[in-house]
Amino acid sequence: GENVEQHPSTLSVQEGDSAVIKCTYSDSASNYFPWYKQELGKRPQLIIDIRSNVGEKKDQRIAVTLNKTAKHFSLHITETQPEDSAVYFCAASISSGGSYIPTFGRGTSLIVHP
Amino acid sequence: NAGVMQNPRHLVRRRGQEARLRCSPMKGHSHVYWYRQLPEEGLKFMVYLQKENIIDESGMPKERFSAEFPKEGPSILRIQQVVRGDSAAYFCASSPGIRNEKLFFGSGTQLSVL
Repeated sequence: GENVEQHPSTLSVQEGDSAVIKCTYSDSASNYFPWYKQELGKRPQLIIDIRSNVGEKKDQRIAVTLNKTAKHFSLHITETQPEDSAVYFCAASISSGGSYIPTFGRGTSLIVHP
Repeated sequence: NAGVMQNPRHLVRRRGQEARLRCSPMKGHSHVYWYRQLPEEGLKFMVYLQKENIIDESGMPKERFSAEFPKEGPSILRIQQVVRGDSAAYFCASSPGIRNEKLFFGSGTQLSVL
């Protein structure tokens, strides 16, 4: 089955700095890569996703890049703000025939210091 | 459109009792996933269901755990004869399926086994 590794487990930055979280996956058939944000005590929420036919996707201050050859993808957050503090999860899944099961990384706790 | 509803939010059981966790997917969603979350261990896949069918239960222990998603009513995750190691947050997520892989999570049920 799919295995997703996520690094770092904890990331501490100053407000305004950039943050980068990296994930690797094992199954070359994976073709959908979402990122979820989970604030303390709340539910995970999708913040951005990318498909295997795209190398990069941006949405305001967040972006995701994908390197299919190396089987890794990354989340980039620019101009970080205290409200970005949360646990971020990457996931990988094979989407086919209407069924898919995302496999999640262990999460990165991002702390943005004001 | 109400989000994914899980209840109860908190459930306390003594060892040996049964725990029933309920999940009502978003309106129009026919795919339901159950994940288990332990501190610093990310989201572990348990089971994937579509209406009246278990699609994949490879992440669910063979004994004591069962899940269903009946034609009418919520999805149920049932844990029989709970042990302390079952203490965790259990998240349900739903998706529309068919070319839409985005998961929408419920607020989770925190199970505590005394």
